[in-house]
Amino acid sequence: DQQVKQNSPSLSVQEGRISILNCDYTNSMFDYFLWYKKYPAEGPTFLISISSIKDKNEDGRFTVFLNKSAKHLSLHIVPSQPGDSAVYFCAASGSNQFYFGTGTSLTVIP
Amino acid sequence: EPEVTQTPSHQVTQMGQEVILRCVPISNHLYFYWYRQILGQKVEFLVSFYNNEISEKSEIFDDQFSVERPDGSNFTLKIRSTKLEDSAMYFCASRISRGANTEAFFGQGTRLTVV
Repeated sequence: DQQVKQNSPSLSVQEGRISILNCDYTNSMFDYFLWYKKYPAEGPTFLISISSIKDKNEDGRFTVFLNKSAKHLSLHIVPSQPGDSAVYFCAASGSNQFYFGTGTSLTVIP
Repeated sequence: EPEVTQTPSHQVTQMGQEVILRCVPISNHLYFYWYRQILGQKVEFLVSFYNNEISEKSEIFDDQFSVERPDGSNFTLKIRSTKLEDSAMYFCASRISRGANTEAFFGQGTRLTVV
């Protein structure tokens, strides 16, 4: 049962443009959402999070938007940089464990 | 900056052998997790651990798996009799609490290869 879904396995964006990564979830009990960035052969690195009481959280070039009614969140990266090229996982938590999406591989083209 | 450390980075083992994967969580964290990622697949939850006992486990975490915090700093995952399908990256994570707005910090992972 896939409770967190990332329907786009890959995304390519020109340097300087906006990257938008999307994530959908099914469990309305989730109250905390996170984005992790992962490079090959490394562990996921925490990027940004949002609580269910908010609809937006911003940290530098990264902004996460949450639409609870649609059970949808998105990560915006602007401007995108080549160093942002990685796999991005969204994760959701309602109690203890985190449920991860399948990841979106972002390539930022110089 | 405090970090979660995992050893070894790569473990090759024969099918049927026991393996122990080691993790040192961040020192003031109270919640500990093991996740795994089979090549090309999603990151999957295995088990969470709090107050010296398992708080939650997935269907993957069957009788062949066990976890332990033997000395207050290490957090280990043992696979008793490895199978080929256990080959994956295993990630340890820790979290200061399970309250809202607390992220989990992940280690670099142990790549387990069962041959």
